[in-house]
Amino acid sequence: DTGVSQNPRHKITKRGQNVTFRCDPISEHNRLYWYRQTLGQGPEFLTYFQNEAQLEKSRLLSDRFSAERPKGSFSTLEIQRTEQGDSAMYLCASSSPINAGYNEQFFGPGTRLTVL
Amino acid sequence: GESVGLHLPTLSVQEGDNSIINCAYSNSASDYFIWYKQESGKGPQFIIDIRSNMDKRQGQRVTVLLNKTVKHLSLQIAATQPGDSAVYFCAENIGTDKLIFGTGTRLQVFP
Repeated sequence: DTGVSQNPRHKITKRGQNVTFRCDPISEHNRLYWYRQTLGQGPEFLTYFQNEAQLEKSRLLSDRFSAERPKGSFSTLEIQRTEQGDSAMYLCASSSPINAGYNEQFFGPGTRLTVL
Repeated sequence: GESVGLHLPTLSVQEGDNSIINCAYSNSASDYFIWYKQESGKGPQFIIDIRSNMDKRQGQRVTVLLNKTVKHLSLQIAATQPGDSAVYFCAENIGTDKLIFGTGTRLQVFP
């Protein structure tokens, strides 16, 4: 257990529905990342926050996706109008770089999304 | 749990042997590298990291080697155990933000 928690662990939804996932990072970590992983692939970066500011978004993050970290602690990732292609594992990671330029990220267990 | 990496390259080793997993990274500007282990149904677990100003780093039973000339990273696991069976990913970090993951390698340890 890395100390990063994600809920729910599994979500099955019908195409067109909205879903929201939550990530609770390690408490003293100021950076929080979202990744997506499909079977047979490594995780792909979606977006990241430093405190409450969203600093970068991947082109993978279509306008149906939105992420928030309102108080700089937990974060939510919402997918609107889900499509079958959204089926994947959504991973959250957190980090707190002590030495400038180095970035050990600790991952949560992920949320497995299945869109029917 | 579901299986991670159904069609990944696979390395099969006998318990007690040493394992070497290789990775080619993409960006010569990458300054930090991490090896992660991922078991089925779980998130990636940090194993060992190395900065670009180093060419070797050792941990407990693991060693990472970095060859910046050919942009190659390797993970050596000594005395491989059944609990080492998993998918292994290398990841590169450019600057201080996102990680870019390579194609994983499945390690299978047989008795």
